[in-house]
Amino acid sequence: GQNIDQPTEMTATEGAIVQINCTYQTSGFNGLFWYQQHAGEAPTFLSYNVLDGLEEKGRFSSFLSRSKGYSYLLLKELQMKDSASYLCAVPYNQGGKLIFGQGTELSVKP
Amino acid sequence: EAQVTQNPRYLITVTGKKLTVTCSQNMNHEYMSWYRQDPGLGLRQIYYSMNVEVTDKGDVPEGYKVSRKEKRNFPLILESPSPNQTSLYFCASSDSGGGYGYTFGSGTRLTVV
Repeated sequence: GQNIDQPTEMTATEGAIVQINCTYQTSGFNGLFWYQQHAGEAPTFLSYNVLDGLEEKGRFSSFLSRSKGYSYLLLKELQMKDSASYLCAVPYNQGGKLIFGQGTELSVKP
Repeated sequence: EAQVTQNPRYLITVTGKKLTVTCSQNMNHEYMSWYRQDPGLGLRQIYYSMNVEVTDKGDVPEGYKVSRKEKRNFPLILESPSPNQTSLYFCASSDSGGGYGYTFGSGTRLTVV
């Protein structure tokens, strides 16, 4: 089966760096997604990792270690608008079944 | 504009009254999916579809039906809604099962009384 774990909440200061961790257990690996979701809005795609290592995209980076079943999302130069829920997700198969973790609620304080 | 459109955005209904939430995408995506989101439980997949006339159950399919008669549309049907189906629902589409992930609609907030 699939299991995804993320911290429930995190708090960070504007301008700082924060790392949101995700651990997963899957019966087969087809990549890992990170989504951002502001309250009451739709999730929006942030990143997709299928190979080990760090992928950087502006202020956001995502890291994957397949051997450890571990990923993190790194947010730099935090802004107030980064306050949101960050969702880790893994595909169960190639057929469209995508399973989400419960999400990490990030609060950015001035 | 490429998008996934859900209707309605808000719906209050009574127990047992059949309803349909519509979903349409204009990106010619093969994959479509329905999720519900509840506090403390996160996003849970209800049903997904890999192409026209091909659907499969997600993690919480009980009480729901779907159909995929056309590539662009993927309606969610609640034949006899119950209060435990009060939730925020999202439709999503993708042009592949992985790699690009899903693009989500704006959501439908359903209340069943």
